[in-house]
Formats: sequence, C-alpha cells, structure tokens
Amino acid sequence: QKEVEQNSGPLSVPEGAIASLNCTYSDRGSQSFFWYRQYSGKSPELIMFIYSNGDKEDGRFTAQLNKASQYVSLLIRDSQPSDSATYLCAAGANNLFFGTGTRLTVIP
Amino acid sequence: KAGVTQTPRYLIKTRGQQVTLSCSPISGHRSVSWYQQTPGQGLQFLFEYFSETQRNKGNFPGRFSGRQFSNSRSEMNVSTLELGDSALYLCASSLEHNTEAFFGQGTRLTVV
Repeated sequence: QKEVEQNSGPLSVPEGAIASLNCTYSDRGSQSFFWYRQYSGKSPELIMFIYSNGDKEDGRFTAQLNKASQYVSLLIRDSQPSDSATYLCAAGANNLFFGTGTRLTVIP
Repeated sequence: KAGVTQTPRYLIKTRGQQVTLSCSPISGHRSVSWYQQTPGQGLQFLFEYFSETQRNKGNFPGRFSGRQFSNSRSEMNVSTLELGDSALYLCASSLEHNTEAFFGQGTRLTVV
C-alpha cells in the first residue's frame, strides 16, 4: 500500500466549475499536509497547507482534512484554464510522502 | 526574496560516473530535503538535512548521499551512476522541519 494515494485521474472540468481532488494517507502519525501544483516541465509549487482537522480556505482553493478518515481534499472553485496542471498531495510526520498526482484539465 | 536555487539545471553523465548537485535554500531556511522525480514513481524522498545533520533518509541505496553546510546550502552526490538514476532531482527548503516546503527548479540528470 502506498503511503499517499490520489485519485488517478485525469480529471476534466469545464471552466467555472468546481474541481475536487482527493487524497488518502496511510500513516496515522502524519501531522502535515500539503497540496502542490506542478505544471508540465516545472517544479512543484506549494498552493495549500493544512495541519488541523477541518477546512482551510485561500482564495479559490479550499483544503479539507479529516484525520479520522485519513483523508485530505482540495477544492478549486471557479476553475480556470490556468489551473490545468498536475496536483500533488503530500503528507507526513518525519518526512513527506507524495502521491503520484492527479492531472487536472480545465476546459474553456 | 530569492527562491530555492539548484545547480546545474541539466546534466548528462555516463554510467559509472559520479555527480554532485547543489541546492541553495531560501534565506533563513534551515531544512533542506531532496527528492527524485520520475514519470513512473513520482516524487520519492531521498533525505532531509537540518542544521547540517541528516534528519531523515528515504529508501535509496548508499550510492546516494548528501550533506549540508553551515550556511544551509546542501549538496547531494550520486556515485556509480546507473541508467535508472536518470530523473529530475528536486530540492525543497523549509524554515523548520515539516513546515511548508518550497521547491527549486530541479536538476535534470540524464545517465547514458
């Protein structure tokens, strides 16, 4: 079992819709949770981090953490074509484990 | 504020050679982590350095090593290169252990 699993995608949504990205992790001791966006040929860019159960909102992005279910999600509201990228979920305690990413395409 | 700087950006090496990659973290950041990214395996953790000490190590062979200097700059070394070492090597810096990490542009290593 992989430490961090993401819905494999690819995921396509129309412009203006909500994109929902999901992630589960296996280590119950994980304390830090991150979402990164990676454009093709570029390095990952941090877009959200969350440490406590519940929701955290930043602009069009909302991260949700449920430690009991070992589940993290990222919602992107009013999706834009520029949001088209691969989204990486990371979780960990002593070191971060990354999921293999979900490729999101926002269709104009 | 300058970001994370990795050098070189691209490298081509021959099997059996060794290579050293460099990472300069964001000013004030003391933690530097290294990752290998390949299409098949995704991002895999190599090791983390904090205040010149290796704090954690991933599941990579001993050919992969690293160090951190007093100014927080870090280097990683791969000896006896294999074809399978071809990958994008990413360095991430953070203020403290397990806080938000920011990636450099990476070093693309090709082993031929």
